[in-house]
Amino acid sequence: DTGVSQNPRHKITKRGQNVTFRCDPISEHNRLYWYRQTLGQGPEFLTYFQNEAQLEKSRLLSDRFSAERPKGSFSTLEIQRTEQGDSAMYLCASSRLQGTEAFFGQGTRLTVV
Amino acid sequence: DQQVKQNSPSLSVQEGRISILNCDYTNSMFDYFLWYKKYPAEGPTFLISISSIKDKNEDGRFTVFLNKSAKHLSLHIVPSQPGDSAVYFCAASAKAAGNKLTFGGGTRVLVKP
Repeated sequence: DTGVSQNPRHKITKRGQNVTFRCDPISEHNRLYWYRQTLGQGPEFLTYFQNEAQLEKSRLLSDRFSAERPKGSFSTLEIQRTEQGDSAMYLCASSRLQGTEAFFGQGTRLTVV
Repeated sequence: DQQVKQNSPSLSVQEGRISILNCDYTNSMFDYFLWYKKYPAEGPTFLISISSIKDKNEDGRFTVFLNKSAKHLSLHIVPSQPGDSAVYFCAASAKAAGNKLTFGGGTRVLVKP
């Protein structure tokens, strides 16, 4: 399977705990994006990487959120001290450097209780 | 401010008929437009796209029309099939902004047999 892979698919955590999600992009894709989707809304941009460089962060990404893409391959998104408002679907997408189509993974559904 | 809007939250259509989904945008910097299809608990699946230098793009049963002066695009699905029942998202991107996607709120399509 050469698509975008996200793990875990589901995560239930208690408020205040830290969580980390992983995204493995399509191997030849230089760009990797994180989005968040809440019920009834379209996905919202969080951050993106070009190779290992994080080029933009949305103001939605509070200081409790951090993303990394070491070596320009897979990426992790960590949320510290989770809050109930963090409950959402976290989506990862990748694209070629000059590409305009981004391809999404299955997402990680986070529930904070 | 919502830069991409899908004003119809839902659409019901008979199998075999045409489905028309609409999308409006406000940001003149957008130079690429995409449609994604999403099933529950899955990531968005890329359907079709169009560059701002074109006014029409066709792929099988799917056609996207772009009216740049009106900042409006539409997706036509003909003939509609029951498997087309899903939520459809319109998205826009700008090359100057790293091609990050700005999504509309989605239109839920139900195709009745």
